[in-house]
Amino acid sequence: DADVTQTPRNRITKTGKRIMLECSQTKGHDRMYWYRQDPGLGLRLIYYSFDVKDINKGEISDGYSVSRQAQAKFSLSLESAIPNQTALYFCATSERDPSNTGELFFGEGSRLTVL
Amino acid sequence: KNQVEQSPQSLIILEGKNCTLQCNYTVSPFSNLRWYKQDTGRGPVSLTIMTFSENTKSNGRYTATLDADTKQSSLHITASQLSDSASYICVVSLYAGNNRKLIWGLGTSLAVNP
Repeated sequence: DADVTQTPRNRITKTGKRIMLECSQTKGHDRMYWYRQDPGLGLRLIYYSFDVKDINKGEISDGYSVSRQAQAKFSLSLESAIPNQTALYFCATSERDPSNTGELFFGEGSRLTVL
Repeated sequence: KNQVEQSPQSLIILEGKNCTLQCNYTVSPFSNLRWYKQDTGRGPVSLTIMTFSENTKSNGRYTATLDADTKQSSLHITASQLSDSASYICVVSLYAGNNRKLIWGLGTSLAVNP
């Protein structure tokens, strides 16, 4: 079983619908992250959390919200999906600060298409 | 502006050949540089990390180099295998007090053909 599990792996939805992407991890890491990946734009940080009561905005948080339900679970919500949120979404965890040598461990990704 | 540029954008080589991927950065202050491998449809996986004082580090057939003076890194793949077909992403860490972030490159897409 994967250490970082994302569900669903693929989702097609319509504009205006609410979508939730879920992430669970068995690595025991406190730090969790949501990224989106778009062709030609690379990986961009949406939100991150350092523990259950900690939520921080990343560089592109508008239109998204997150919930850290437990140390092992971090979910990403799109309250009203729009087509430019079509992307590949990754959840990641780390034991230490990635900007200070910490390694990111990524899930398999959730491909979201908004029509 | 803090940027990470990778070249080439894509590369095709024959199985068994060597190749070198480049990463140039303008991130300052620099903390470390990491190379990730991303197979199609999968999440990135770390290959190696280079800190300021390191020049060369190997991980099996992968060898990374870092020249902090010229702000360049390379990833050399020796005796390529079909399983090396993937995107290779360079990410540089900016670390200065409370200003901490990762600057991601766009990746080099490598195809290893039989």
